[in-house]
Amino acid sequence: QVQLQESGPGLVKPSGTLSLTCAVSGGSISSGYWWSWVRQPPGKGLEWIGEISHTGSTNYDPSLRSRVTISLDKSKNQFFLQLSTVTAADTAVYYCARNGDYVLEYWGQGTLITVSS
Amino acid sequence: EIVLTQSPGTLSLSPGERATLSCRASQTVSSNYFAWYQQKPGQAPRLLISGASTRATGIPDRFSGSGSGTDFTLTISRLEPEDFAVYYCQQYGSPPRYTFGQGTKLEIK
Repeated sequence: QVQLQESGPGLVKPSGTLSLTCAVSGGSISSGYWWSWVRQPPGKGLEWIGEISHTGSTNYDPSLRSRVTISLDKSKNQFFLQLSTVTAADTAVYYCARNGDYVLEYWGQGTLITVSS
Repeated sequence: EIVLTQSPGTLSLSPGERATLSCRASQTVSSNYFAWYQQKPGQAPRLLISGASTRATGIPDRFSGSGSGTDFTLTISRLEPEDFAVYYCQQYGSPPRYTFGQGTKLEIK
């Protein structure tokens, strides 16, 4: 069964760039699926950020598109999230996930990113 | 963008009771594109139902989904202690590809 594991810095300064990695195991990132990032501010609901296909095609939430880049490294079986010009409003648990048929089928455990000076 | 509104915000019930959670969409959603998730504290969401009514692998049959158009329902027939959690509905569409309801917290009465 596929497993996903997020990693990141934990703390990012305001106006900086948030960079996260999702390591995929138990399956290949080249296997034809799309791969997503989702975030959840403390005590709040889920917000989809964007997705990337195994070929590198991307789709982003329109409200975040100007600040988001999702990429992948097939050789490492990993995909990545970069979110620029962060503010306190970007403080959240960030999840990576594998898309299924119109759903988010497998999720990582999440990593808390705090934006603070 | 389609907005999903869940009700109630909090549902207080006892183990063994039946739970009915609702999700209303601001526009018609294809049943194929509608799902439910369960989230426990400190854990990632878990897919429960896809295609409005198809249980995901390993999900007990006390969970059932129904509905179409703009009104969807998640029913838990007999609550077990492990079912108390937050539940989210989700629809799939043009970017934003996935949108979620605000969640219903199912708590022990």
